[in-house]
Amino acid sequence: DQQVKQNSPSLSVQEGRISILNCDYTNSMFDYFLWYKKYPAEGPTFLISISSIKDKNEDGRFTVFLNKSAKHLSLHIVPSQPGDSAVYFCAASVSASKIIFGSGTRLSIRP
Amino acid sequence: NAGVTQTPKFRILKIGQSMTLQCTQDMNHNYMYWYRQDPGMGLKLIYYSVGAGITDKGEVPNGYNVSRSTTEDFPLRLELAAPSQTSVYFCASRGAGGNTGELFFGEGSRLTVL
Repeated sequence: DQQVKQNSPSLSVQEGRISILNCDYTNSMFDYFLWYKKYPAEGPTFLISISSIKDKNEDGRFTVFLNKSAKHLSLHIVPSQPGDSAVYFCAASVSASKIIFGSGTRLSIRP
Repeated sequence: NAGVTQTPKFRILKIGQSMTLQCTQDMNHNYMYWYRQDPGMGLKLIYYSVGAGITDKGEVPNGYNVSRSTTEDFPLRLELAAPSQTSVYFCASRGAGGNTGELFFGEGSRLTVL
């Protein structure tokens, strides 16, 4: 029973364009949603989060949108840069303690 | 400030052996977590702890044990290793305040069971 789903295993985007990564969830009790970035042979690093009571949060080139009625969130990266090539994980927290991750989307930024 | 430190970084075990993956953090974080990442897959939560003396099961706890006797340390014990436990293990921690859910990860421990 996968509570956090990332249905696109990979995505290729041209440098300078927008990258949109998607995530779906099933548990209405999630109170925070987060995005992490992971390079090979390193631990994931935190990118951006959003509370379940909000619908948008921005931090520089990164914006996360939350659609609670659809149980869907997305991460927008504008403009995409070569250093953004990595695996991106969506995650969700329950009662601010248990944190569940999705399966990840590999983003490749092409020149 | 070392952050989250995991040891060992690499280990090969034979089927049936036991071992402990060590994790320590120096940020005085209350919450600590163990995840595993299988090849091409996402992170699965094994166990987590909300403070010293308190632990709880995650999504895939079978075959593992944890303890949290101090704030700093959260070791993961593998009993009777099986090939299905071949994975990369990540320890993470976070503080009680700030961006809820912002985890700080270690560099990972790659375990192979043959």
